[in-house]
Amino acid sequence: DGGITQSPKYLFRKEGQNVTLSCEQNLNHDAMYWYRQDPGQGLRLIYYSQIVNDFQKGDIAEGYSVSREKKESFPLTVTSAQKNPTAFYLCATKGRMNTGELFFGEGSRLTVL
Amino acid sequence: QKEVEQDPGPLSVPEGAIVSLNCTYSNSAFQYFMWYRQYSRKGPELLMYTYSSGNKEDGRFTAQVDKSSKYISLFIRDSQPSDSATYLCAMIHPFPASGGSYIPTFGRGTSLIVHP
Repeated sequence: DGGITQSPKYLFRKEGQNVTLSCEQNLNHDAMYWYRQDPGQGLRLIYYSQIVNDFQKGDIAEGYSVSREKKESFPLTVTSAQKNPTAFYLCATKGRMNTGELFFGEGSRLTVL
Repeated sequence: QKEVEQDPGPLSVPEGAIVSLNCTYSNSAFQYFMWYRQYSRKGPELLMYTYSSGNKEDGRFTAQVDKSSKYISLFIRDSQPSDSATYLCAMIHPFPASGGSYIPTFGRGTSLIVHP
């Protein structure tokens, strides 16, 4: 099936630990995005990549890092520098650049204890 | 002031009611307008996509854009319990000065509950 796979679905970590969230897609889409969602706050853009080996900071990139070594994969690392990492993280792709239609994964819920 | 304002609700209605969901925005450069639906613990999915002012209908859903008032709406007719979800408005400035063309700016989302 074509789609976007995020893993893990739920993740618990101790404060101070780095965590990497996986996002894999088989839609052959060039652009990939990471959003953070907090209750009542909507979606906030963390990082995006419009092509392999290139990525740009979004609105709330501090404390996060990404890589884009393959078209299919866009992992997000939540570092210990992120002050409030507990949130729902969503990965998305876009098939055509001149459109706002994003395709989202199922999300990863990160809880920092 | 946020660029996109959306009342988070929750909005609770009986089955069969007409639902009206709304967003206002401040940036007149927004040209494309979308509504996404998000079920609990799932990713959002695109529901409606409009470009110009006016109405666009798809089944029980109607999207309305009023660029002069910077106001968009989503109407749901004959609402069903399966419509219970969070509805996020989103809009696009095609070429913002900050870079990253065609990346949606999202509202906070409105939680809708349709009870039988």
